[in-house]
Amino acid sequence: DTEVTQTPKHLVMGMTNKKSLKCEQHMGHRAMYWYKQKAKKPPELMFVYSYEKLSINESVPSRFSPECPNSSLLNLHLHALQPEDSALYLCASSPLTSGITDTQYFGPGTRLTVL
Amino acid sequence: GENVEQHPSTLSVQEGDSAVIKCTYSDSASNYFPWYKQELGKRPQLIIDIRSNVGEKKDQRIAVTLNKTAKHFSLHITETQPEDSAVYFCAARNTGNQFYFGTGTSLTVIP
Repeated sequence: DTEVTQTPKHLVMGMTNKKSLKCEQHMGHRAMYWYKQKAKKPPELMFVYSYEKLSINESVPSRFSPECPNSSLLNLHLHALQPEDSALYLCASSPLTSGITDTQYFGPGTRLTVL
Repeated sequence: GENVEQHPSTLSVQEGDSAVIKCTYSDSASNYFPWYKQELGKRPQLIIDIRSNVGEKKDQRIAVTLNKTAKHFSLHITETQPEDSAVYFCAARNTGNQFYFGTGTSLTVIP
């Protein structure tokens, strides 16, 4: 399996809802990432997990809560979002090998709309 | 932190011509530089990458060059085809395993 998968593909939620995005990979990668991408903009790093531990939080509001239950799974829990949080949320993974080689692969993304 | 600049923001070429996209980075410790192609509504797809110990890499019609001294790297696409039309992003990875992306180049190949 050489793919990163994400569910759901699309999500519409109200500002008072609680929802979760899921990401899964079975490539044995030990680094997993969440990115937010607005239309016609580059992916913007949100969180990095290395060996199932949160290693980087790019000053993301607390209404986004990441979770890494095991080395294959990554969740993003959403609560009390704002309309401006509507975007494509991309998950990615990379091998996190020693040295300088570390190719990153992206999942297909979840298109989130906050009403 | 790392700052990656990418130029041009839009590029139109005739089919069969070459396209060149350039990126500069600020953190001299960055050591890995991937290029992604993203079609509308799709995920970014890795098309080529280069490590900091290599100056050039080629894969069929696509090549990437890296100048560590000047801190810039470039994507070269030869014999462009309409299916090359997409948004291209460069990125730089620092020693903290953070990837920073350029602002993107929208490439249009005119048949």
